Amino acid sequence: DAGITQSPRYKITETGRQVTLMCHQTWSHSYMFWYRQDLGHGLRLIYYSAAADITDKGEVPDGYVVSRSKTENFPLTLESATRSQTSVYFCASRGTGTYGYTFGSGTRLTVV
Amino acid sequence: KQEVTQIPAALSVPEGENLVLNCSFTDSAIYNLQWFRQDPGKGLTSLLLIQSSQREQTSGRLNASLDKSSGRSTLYIAASQPGDSATYLCAVMIQGAQKLVFGQGTRLTINP
Repeated sequence: DAGITQSPRYKITETGRQVTLMCHQTWSHSYMFWYRQDLGHGLRLIYYSAAADITDKGEVPDGYVVSRSKTENFPLTLESATRSQTSVYFCASRGTGTYGYTFGSGTRLTVV
Repeated sequence: KQEVTQIPAALSVPEGENLVLNCSFTDSAIYNLQWFRQDPGKGLTSLLLIQSSQREQTSGRLNASLDKSSGRSTLYIAASQPGDSATYLCAVMIQGAQKLVFGQGTRLTINP
């Protein structure tokens, strides 16, 4: 299916565990992004990538790691999950030129 | 630092009314502005994208305007329907960067 897909849709993990959220897009968009959405804070940028092997920090990168070995995939890893990382995570992509963003359906992560 | 504000935070109107949602941003050096819709527990759906050189965009019953010099955008919804109930988010792309900066959203309820 064409588009941007995130997995898993829901995840419960324990404090201290490593967890990886997956994001896959089929358009070969250059840019990909990870946002988190929290009540009272809105949407905040965690990391973004301009191309394969090029990543950069956003507003709230601490505790997260990203990689982009292939253009279509942009996984987000929480190295040692904390309760403050309980949130809804959205992946997005954007092509070059005058295009807008397209968002995935999100992953609801709960850290207990 | 770019800041985006949406007023009001919540709005409740009877079905059939025309309504306006407001978005303001502090730095006029934007690349584009995008309006999204978010249903409860769902992802973000793009509604309209306005490039910095444009004044407005229309899609069906929706019309978005952009006044870069005053740092304002409005989303006009004509003949509102209960299905329009959702949270509407405004986001600006910063010029020279690929990041979107979001407002906190307006939660819209259309009463039958």
